[in-house]
Amino acid sequence: RKEVEQDPGPFNVPEGATVAFNCTYSNSASQSFFWYRQDCRKEPKLLMSVYSSGNEDGRFTAQLNRASQYISLLIRDSKLSDSATYLCVGPNRDDKIIFGKGTRLHILP
Amino acid sequence: EAQVTQNPRYLITVTGKKLTVTCSQNMNHEYMSWYRQDPGLGLRQIYYSMNVEVTDKGDVPEGYKVSRKEKRNFPLILESPSPNQTSLYFCASSPSLSEHRSYEQYFGPGTRLTVT
Repeated sequence: RKEVEQDPGPFNVPEGATVAFNCTYSNSASQSFFWYRQDCRKEPKLLMSVYSSGNEDGRFTAQLNRASQYISLLIRDSKLSDSATYLCVGPNRDDKIIFGKGTRLHILP
Repeated sequence: EAQVTQNPRYLITVTGKKLTVTCSQNMNHEYMSWYRQDPGLGLRQIYYSMNVEVTDKGDVPEGYKVSRKEKRNFPLILESPSPNQTSLYFCASSPSLSEHRSYEQYFGPGTRLTVT
C-alpha cells in the first residue's frame, strides 16, 4: 500500500448533493491528518484537521477510521465554489510529511 | 497580513545557470519547507527546516540546497538546474514542531520554474 493514497477522480457531482471521498494510509501509528484544498494553479490551503474524534466545520466533516486506516471528507449541500482538488496529508513511517496526490471534485450547476 | 511570500513567481532559465528562489514568512513560524508539484506525482517535499541553522532532506532533495540563517527566510538554491527540475515549487511554514501541528502548513503562492 502506498503511504497516502487517494482516488484521483474526477468526481462530477451536481450542486446541492453530498459527496464523500477517502484517503488511505499505511502508517498504522499515525494519529493525525489534515485535509487541504487546492484550486487550479494556486497554493494548497488548509481545510481542516482530522483526529480520532473526527471534525466538523459547517458543511464539511472529516473522520478517521483507524481500524481500516483511512480518513474521509464529507461535503454536504455542495456549492459550485467547492470545485477544487482535495489533498490529504499525514506522516509516513519515518514521520515525514506525505501528501496524497489529490482528488479532483467538480460541482456541476 | 500574515503570509508566506515567494520570489520570483515565474522563472525561465537555462540548464546549468545557478538560481535562487526566495521564501519569507512573517508569522514567526519555526518550521519551513519546500515542495515541488508535478502532474501525476503530487506534492513532494524537497527540504524542511525545524529551526534556524537546522535543515533536513525531504523525499526529493537531489539537485537542491537550502539554508536557514534567519527564522523568516528559507531560500531554495539550484546550483546547476536541469530540465527535470522544471516544476511548480511551493514554500510553506508551520507554527509548531509538534507532530500534528507541523502538518498545519501555510503555503506561498508558488514559483513556476522552467529549465530549458
